[in-house]
Amino acid sequence: QSILTQPPSVSAAPGQKVTISCSGSSSNIGSNYVSWYQQVPGTAPKLLIYDDDQRFSGIPDRFSGSKSGTSATLAITGLQTGDEADYYCETWDTSLPSEVFGGGTKLTVL
Amino acid sequence: QVHLVQSGAEVKKPGASVKISCRASGYTFTNYYMHWFRQAPGHGLEWMGMINPSSGRATSPQKLQGRVTLTGDTSTTTVYMELSSLRSDDTAVYYCARKFSTRYFDYWGQGALVTVSS
Repeated sequence: QSILTQPPSVSAAPGQKVTISCSGSSSNIGSNYVSWYQQVPGTAPKLLIYDDDQRFSGIPDRFSGSKSGTSATLAITGLQTGDEADYYCETWDTSLPSEVFGGGTKLTVL
Repeated sequence: QVHLVQSGAEVKKPGASVKISCRASGYTFTNYYMHWFRQAPGHGLEWMGMINPSSGRATSPQKLQGRVTLTGDTSTTTVYMELSSLRSDDTAVYYCARKFSTRYFDYWGQGALVTVSS
C-alpha cells in the first residue's frame, strides 16, 4: 500500500485532457516538493515535472503540474497515443523519513 | 551528457546476496547523491536508499536496514547496491537514479532485473 494515493487508471480520447491526482499528507506533499514521472513498461522512469509545477527540460507544455495543500495534480492536454504509460508522483516524507511514491496511474489513450 | 549504466540481470537462490553496480559519467560524481529503487513485476516503485558519493554515507528505509548495503567508488565513479538474504519477493527490476539538489531524480539507470528463485 503506497503512502501517496493515485487512481489506478485514467483514460481519454486523443486530443482530450486528463488529470491524475496524488493525495498525501502534511508530512510529505504538504511540506515537500512533488515530482512526476512517466514510465513506459519495460523502461526506466522519466522525469516530467519537478518542484510541483516545473517542466523538466524537453518536456512539452502539454504536461503541467500543480499542488494545493496535501494533494498534487498532473494534467496532460492534447493527448497522444504516445502518452500511454504509467505515471507516478513522488516526494520526500519527513516523518518516515523516506522517498515515497504513489502507486502509479495507467493512462490509456482510447 | 549524463549516463548511468547498470550491471546486467542476475538470477539468485533464496538466501543468497546480489550486488548491482551503477557507473556514472558525464558529471562530477561527488556532487550528487545517488538513490536506488526497485520495482517488482506489476508493481510500483519502492525506495531502497541513498548514498552521498563524496562522504560514502548511506541511508536506507527501516524495512531494509540490515539487508541493504550501499557503497561508492570515486575512482571508478560507480555506486553499488548489495542486498542480502534474498527472498522470492525481492524479485524486481532495480534502478539507480541521480538526485538533483535535494529535489528530483533527473537521470536514471536502465535497470537491472534480479530474479530470486530456487
